[in-house]
Amino acid sequence: GQQLNQSPQSMFIQEGEDVSMNCTSSSIFNTWLWYKQDPGEGPVLLIALYKAGELTSNGRLTAQFGITRKDSFLNISASIPSDVGIYFCAGHFNTNAGKSTFGDGTTLTVKP
Amino acid sequence: NAGVTQTPKFRILKIGQSMTLQCTQDMNHNYMYWYRQDPGMGLKLIYYSVGAGITDKGEVPNGYNVSRSTTEDFPLRLELAAPSQTSVYFCASKSAIRHKRSREELFFGEGSRLTVL
Repeated sequence: GQQLNQSPQSMFIQEGEDVSMNCTSSSIFNTWLWYKQDPGEGPVLLIALYKAGELTSNGRLTAQFGITRKDSFLNISASIPSDVGIYFCAGHFNTNAGKSTFGDGTTLTVKP
Repeated sequence: NAGVTQTPKFRILKIGQSMTLQCTQDMNHNYMYWYRQDPGMGLKLIYYSVGAGITDKGEVPNGYNVSRSTTEDFPLRLELAAPSQTSVYFCASKSAIRHKRSREELFFGEGSRLTVL
């Protein structure tokens, strides 16, 4: 099956620092999605990317769909304590009966 | 709208017991999914459904069963619980409408935390 490699596995940063995480795949995807999971909750969509090369922002978050369609990155600028959580990338291929493949997540800790 | 509702939130089972995790959504979504999340791991797909009466296996279906008799409900059945099934289970749904922005967005429930002892 399709495999996603998400890195880094965890990050410990100071409040105000910028954060970058990425996902790579051995297969191409038509859609890349980035989710955030707060402790004790289900994941919530942050950003969806639908075209190779697309760069999309959502507040302090910026994500890009890699030109090869096999990778994506997520940047968070000027981190704040509420950014703490697990960030997941997910790839989706249109003919895949609606199924998305998830990375293993990046756990972000922000020190005040 | 409540979105995706899962029950129970917590459950402890003994080895060999059976139980059903309930999932219901009020968004009229055609697609529904069950994932499990183990510590430090991503979400692994157990079963999914593209509509009432249609279900299919995901990556890790062994030890589980599902049914989809209505659009709203997608229960997950654990038969003969084993310690390897200790995990957090998430139900999710998605619209089948193709033209809308965020069309691949999954809406997740809050999770059901299951421990098998």
